[in-house]
Amino acid sequence: NAGVTQTPKFRILKIGQSMTLQCAQDMNHNYMYWYRQDPGMGLKLIYYSVGAGITDKGEVPNGYNVSRSTTEYFPLRLELAAPSQTSVYFCASSYSKGYDLDEQFFGPGTRLTVL
Amino acid sequence: KNEVEQSPQNLTAQEGEFITINCSYSVGISALHWLQQHPGGGIVSLFMLSSGKKKHGRLIATINIQEKHSSLHITASHPRDSAVYICAVALGAGSYQLTFGKGTKLSVIP
Repeated sequence: NAGVTQTPKFRILKIGQSMTLQCAQDMNHNYMYWYRQDPGMGLKLIYYSVGAGITDKGEVPNGYNVSRSTTEYFPLRLELAAPSQTSVYFCASSYSKGYDLDEQFFGPGTRLTVL
Repeated sequence: KNEVEQSPQNLTAQEGEFITINCSYSVGISALHWLQQHPGGGIVSLFMLSSGKKKHGRLIATINIQEKHSSLHITASHPRDSAVYICAVALGAGSYQLTFGKGTKLSVIP
């Protein structure tokens, strides 16, 4: 199993540009998450999905959009990039039954700089 | 709002020392996670626990639900244990979100 994969690893954007961060998992996990990690801060949840076709906002969703058309893929879209979106982005997945969260498996991260 | 506080923020230890990292939270939770972030940035899950104690190799995690406190212990520390250790909590049943601490940076010197 490749686990959770993310592309690209690094990206520099200009203010106002758009891009999609790709995330895929091959573990048939039903839950998927997008986090951002800023220096000196804890990880913050951007969006999450509990299954194909179902997504919801996390703590810091402004400026981002997601979709989940299949179990495997959970792309994160940045529209009109701003310097405040400079961060490291992690995708994660877990298999959860009912209300119990299970351990999360993280991708390697995407380091994004907006200039 | 749930707050997750970790201590210490930074920790330097000699190889072989016993290490303790602490995590406190402010509201009731359904589970607590300990994660390790390698110097290269990758994050791996170490433990998920909702009561008592778990052990994996040289790592031990404990939680006291009444005191809203968890500890991560590393026995016989080694330079390869150098990493950032992150505590995260899941709120009550039905919550899909984790609240993360800022992490404890551990450096183990040979």
